[in-house]
Formats: sequence, structure tokens, C-alpha cells
Amino acid sequence: SQQGEEDPQALSIQEGENATMNCSYKTSINNLQWYRQNSGRGLVHLILIRSNEREKHSGRLRVTLDTSKKSSSLLITASRAADTASYFCATEGGGSNYKLTFGKGTLLTVNP
Amino acid sequence: GAGVSQSPSNKVTEKGKDVELRCDPISGHTALYWYRQSLGQGLEFLIYFQGNSAPDKSGLPSDRFSAERTGGSVSTLTIQRTQQEDSAVYLCASSLVGGTYYEQYFGPGTRLTVT
Repeated sequence: SQQGEEDPQALSIQEGENATMNCSYKTSINNLQWYRQNSGRGLVHLILIRSNEREKHSGRLRVTLDTSKKSSSLLITASRAADTASYFCATEGGGSNYKLTFGKGTLLTVNP
Repeated sequence: GAGVSQSPSNKVTEKGKDVELRCDPISGHTALYWYRQSLGQGLEFLIYFQGNSAPDKSGLPSDRFSAERTGGSVSTLTIQRTQQEDSAVYLCASSLVGGTYYEQYFGPGTRLTVT
């Protein structure tokens, strides 16, 4: 069963704009991770935020986590056409310390 | 170094046939995972290996699905008597050890189509 729900399901922006994707989840977590997937194959790990962290940065990525609201957001700044992909949040926890539970993803299209 | 590899990349099979999907994890990674991605169900966990043992098989959808891992390395996911609903992309991942905060590295997947 799906734990996370991403919002929006699809997002289309122009190069240079910022993209924000949201994720909500249901149970307690150890950490939350964001992955990127190009062309329906091969998930690439982007960033991991622990349950006791509120914000984390990695290059053009900024992730926030609000455990009281059971939600997270992924911000991609100064987007590029190469950022076009599907983005998934995945939670680890809820009694398991290894199993990732994925949301349904946000399809991001960055137009040149 | 080499990442996680999977074979075949694509597999088309007739309903009722058996298929084997292979995963080669990153060398030295003791934990291995299988996930399935389909249009209807999204990304789902199937099974977790720590070494050669599978402490969690809870995601396997039916007894037609089985997996093994040998030598703490290569893993094979076998689907017997395939059904059309088995059509999906099967993803394998590995991590240094199984546990919180250890990043899972994914392979490119095997796209299975059951006709």
C-alpha cells in the first residue's frame, strides 16, 4: 500500500523557475527520502532527511520535513530541462528500518 | 565503481510461463531489495535480503513469486505461471547494510510484459 502522496501529480514550468513538490505520509517515520526517475526506469537517490531534521540542502535542492503535519516538500531552484523527470518521496519507518514505502510521484516537465 | 545491474532489461513472456529476473548488487553490499513498479500500484516493496536470508518477504504478492540470493551477492526473482497482472518494471536495489539511513542504490529495472 502507498504511504506517501505527492502533490501535484504533474508540474510544468519554464527553465530557470523554481519547482516545488509536496509529499504527505501517514505513519511515523525514521527518515524521508526523495528519488528521481527518468523515462520510467532507474531511481536515483537525491536526498535523505531524518525525522529529527527540519530542513536540508543539497546543491539546488532544498527539502523540508514537518513531522507534526506528516509532510515534506522538495524545492528545486533554477530548474533546467535536464531536471525533467518523475520525483518520488519514500519513507522508511513505521516498524521497519529498511523498507521504503513510495508515493505515486510528481511528473516534472521543465520547458527550455 | 559498477552500480546495480539487472537482466534482462526487457522480457516478454506468454501467460502461464515461468520467468527469472536477475540482480547483481554493488560489490560489498550486504542488503538487497526487490521492488515492483506498475501503473496501478506504483512502487511496491517485494522482499528484503540480508546476506542470503530473507527476513522480510511480506511484499511478495502470491506464492507464485519467490526469490533467492546466493553467495551474498546475486539474487534471482522467479515468477511462476505468469499472469497479465504481473506485467510491471521489477527494480532491484542494494545497500551497504540493511538499516535506517543507509542509502539504497537502484538498478535500471527489468520491464516484464505478460501477453
